[in-house]
Amino acid sequence: DIQMTQSPSSLSASVGDRVTITCRASRGIRNDLGWYQQKPGKAPKRLIYAASTLQSGVPSRFSGSGSGTQFTLTISSLQPEDFATYYCLQHNSYPITFGQGTRLEIK
Amino acid sequence: EVQLVESGGGLVQPGESLRLSCAASGFTFRNYWMSWVRQAPGKGLEWVANIKPDGTEKYYVDSVEGRFTISRDNAKNSLYLQMNSLRVEDTAVYYCARYDCTSTSCSFDYWGQGTLVTVS
Repeated sequence: DIQMTQSPSSLSASVGDRVTITCRASRGIRNDLGWYQQKPGKAPKRLIYAASTLQSGVPSRFSGSGSGTQFTLTISSLQPEDFATYYCLQHNSYPITFGQGTRLEIK
Repeated sequence: EVQLVESGGGLVQPGESLRLSCAASGFTFRNYWMSWVRQAPGKGLEWVANIKPDGTEKYYVDSVEGRFTISRDNAKNSLYLQMNSLRVEDTAVYYCARYDCTSTSCSFDYWGQGTLVTVS
């Protein structure tokens, strides 16, 4: 199984900050990675797919990069609505696996 | 508008069975892979199962293999998860999700609101 190690597990930041979340795969997954945002009591929402393709309707302050084993999600200028939990996901091979999540909190 | 609506969750005892359903609308259901993803209370997301558009291929996470069965009825635009021999650790919100696969990538692009399964 491919393990996805996401860091940090939690993060405190302020509105306007630039934030980076990292996901590392236990072996190469090409660009078969997505990023999801989840708010309490809600279903996850896709932000990024194919490692760097922005989902339609998602603000351009979100960006993704990486290939192989190292990936990042960057939020260029945090907005109040961005405080949530973020997950990476690999679909290169079964079983599909998620990172453990990054909880982004207001400082 | 794509909509996925789960139903069938509830409280059951260990060893019992439950069948979840997901009603899909707003897209051509028979053309898409579909999935179940779950989230235990206060925990992260865990993929459970995938099914091919025509139902001929199915994949499961190891922890449910042999106990859960994913199926679909394309005539009814519906996805199912038959869960047998339920365990306390199967307690979670179960989400139905569309697994969108293009020529270059796959991912879960639409999700239902989830249905809670409690095994206790």
